[in-house]
Amino acid sequence: GAVVSQHPSWVICKSGTSVKIECRSLDFQATTMFWYRQFPKQSLMLMATSNEGSKATYEQGVEKDKFLINHASLTLSTLTVTSAHPEDSSFYICSALYRGTGYGYTFGSGTRLTVV
Amino acid sequence: GENVEQHPSTLSVQEGDSAVIKCTYSDSASNYFPWYKQELGKRPQLIIDIRSNVGEKKDQRIAVTLNKTAKHFSLHITETQPEDSAVYFCAAPSSGTYKYIFGTGTRLKVLA
Repeated sequence: GAVVSQHPSWVICKSGTSVKIECRSLDFQATTMFWYRQFPKQSLMLMATSNEGSKATYEQGVEKDKFLINHASLTLSTLTVTSAHPEDSSFYICSALYRGTGYGYTFGSGTRLTVV
Repeated sequence: GENVEQHPSTLSVQEGDSAVIKCTYSDSASNYFPWYKQELGKRPQLIIDIRSNVGEKKDQRIAVTLNKTAKHFSLHITETQPEDSAVYFCAAPSSGTYKYIFGTGTRLKVLA
């Protein structure tokens, strides 16, 4: 249980274009999802917290107009990288908060974005 | 907010030896401490976790210990195998939120 599906797994785009990444909870309702960025050989850096039906909360230093997050349903959150540049090339991973007897996280499989 | 420090950044051990990775945290209210294993290009996988009401938890070759007074928790891997080679991350919740703050990661290499 508590599976998150993330698509695409990899994408190459041209500078200046936009890319949308989807995260879908398959067997539970994810009211809260988190988006992370991970550069090579570095840790996961939280970009934003996405709550269903409300605006995302962005971490300090993350441009909300560049990284658009939409969480319009209990099972889907999307991250759109707008006007992508080579420095946006990274591994993007979502995670969803699930609640049972306690709470925990389940991660998507990640999206490797390369901007050329 | 929570601050998590992880050491060492890299660790090489001979197959069969033990590996220990340590994390310290700053928020005394934190009550849940997971460890994740991430293989190259893949998602982090939860391997073990501990809640603040216990001091140690073990699952086969993996154990986690927690010292609440000193605010540190450690991952112990015994009888290491080549497939244990990966990057390991600790995490702790940011106070009053569901956000996790991740440690900087430890790249473990198990030498055959």
